[in-house]
Amino acid sequence: NAGVTQTPKFQVLKTGQSMTLQCAQDMNHNSMYWYRQDPGMGLRLIYYSASEGTTDKGEVPNGYNVSRLNKREFSLRLESAAPSQTSVYFCASSNRGNTIYFGEGSWLTVV
Amino acid sequence: AQTVTQSQPEMSVQEAETVTLSCTYDTSESDYYLFWYKQPPSRQMILVIRQEAYKQQNATENRFSVNFQKAAKSFSLKISDSQLGDAAMYFCAYRSAEGFQKLVFGTGTRLLVSP
Repeated sequence: NAGVTQTPKFQVLKTGQSMTLQCAQDMNHNSMYWYRQDPGMGLRLIYYSASEGTTDKGEVPNGYNVSRLNKREFSLRLESAAPSQTSVYFCASSNRGNTIYFGEGSWLTVV
Repeated sequence: AQTVTQSQPEMSVQEAETVTLSCTYDTSESDYYLFWYKQPPSRQMILVIRQEAYKQQNATENRFSVNFQKAAKSFSLKISDSQLGDAAMYFCAYRSAEGFQKLVFGTGTRLLVSP
């Protein structure tokens, strides 16, 4: 079972570069999420998509954009990467009332 | 806004012993879900156990059980017969049953298991 798949798993960027994290789920879930996890902290919500065609800001949206391409895919874009965006990024998905399932994480380092 | 508090940054347990991880939360809602996630060094987020607030019975999954005290807004995780593979970060999380349902996480408890 694939579940939630994120790519790339590891990425090193230079300050000012842009990149897109890709996420796809095969569970027919309506809602998708992007979280980031910094050392010593829990996961914080960057953006979410409650359903296909909608996106909204979470707790820490600055410096990011998202696209809900279709029901399966939800991408996260860093337009101009900064060292403060060095983190582990998690994509997740769920249906209403059900458990949220996570991808394996994407380790991003901005130098 | 809902908040989740894990007051134990780190806990230690010996193999085969029992350990309890604490979690409290703050909410004005009456219907919600609570979760414990395990995060091993690989960083993968693994669901351990889930509790619906409307259920009075505490959830159990094999060696893992919870003590859900709704009035006290407390949701502790008990791990029985601890194993080396239980060593990980454990995160408590809250999810509203109404409106948009995002997860709100605590800061985590690192569980160390010694032989």
